[in-house]
Amino acid sequence: AQSVTQPDIHITVSEGASLELRCNYSYGATPYLFWYVQSPGQGLQLLLKYFSGDTLVQGIKGFEAEFKRSQSSFNLRKPSVHWSDAAEYFCAVGAAAAGNKLTFGGGTRVLVKP
Amino acid sequence: GAGVSQTPSNKVTEKGKYVELRCDPISGHTALYWYRQSLGQGPEFLIYFQGTGAADDSGLPNDRFFAVRPEGSVSTLKIQRTERGDSAVYLCASSLTNSKGETQYFGPGTRLLVL
Repeated sequence: AQSVTQPDIHITVSEGASLELRCNYSYGATPYLFWYVQSPGQGLQLLLKYFSGDTLVQGIKGFEAEFKRSQSSFNLRKPSVHWSDAAEYFCAVGAAAAGNKLTFGGGTRVLVKP
Repeated sequence: GAGVSQTPSNKVTEKGKYVELRCDPISGHTALYWYRQSLGQGPEFLIYFQGTGAADDSGLPNDRFFAVRPEGSVSTLKIQRTERGDSAVYLCASSLTNSKGETQYFGPGTRLLVL
């Protein structure tokens, strides 16, 4: 069965500093990987996704993620964090063989210090 | 265009009661998904529809939970004899198809509290 692990429950970062959120997955075939962001009181918004091709994926809001098959990882990065990036971030893997249902990690809450 | 909408946004009910949660997907999207998000956790898959049929209901926790999508658009998640453990945010998502890597667009969720 597929699974996703986000090892960091909370991360605090200063505004303007870089951010990296870790995601490790377990999946038997080529994974379809997603990063979503959830702001308080709002729905999940897709930041970026990977399913083939270039392993460095660019997303919205200045985020990028790198797929590393050898490490079963799909870490999310942003070079310079803004206060508005404070939110909860979820990594997910899609099951191609089962209608693309998503399995999510437990999430990482990002706090941004002024 | 409009995104995925869910009603009600909040629902408070008593243990043992029946509740219905509604999801309006993006127009033209054939796939519709229900997830449940408990406090402090990531969303967990419940059921998905391709058109009118439930293609995968493997995530429904027990037979108190049931969902329908009679006309291939709006879906209703029904919970019978609610229990306090059912308290969570219920998320609905839709996608154009159920193809590999297709983006799922999420609604704002219905926050269910069972007293």
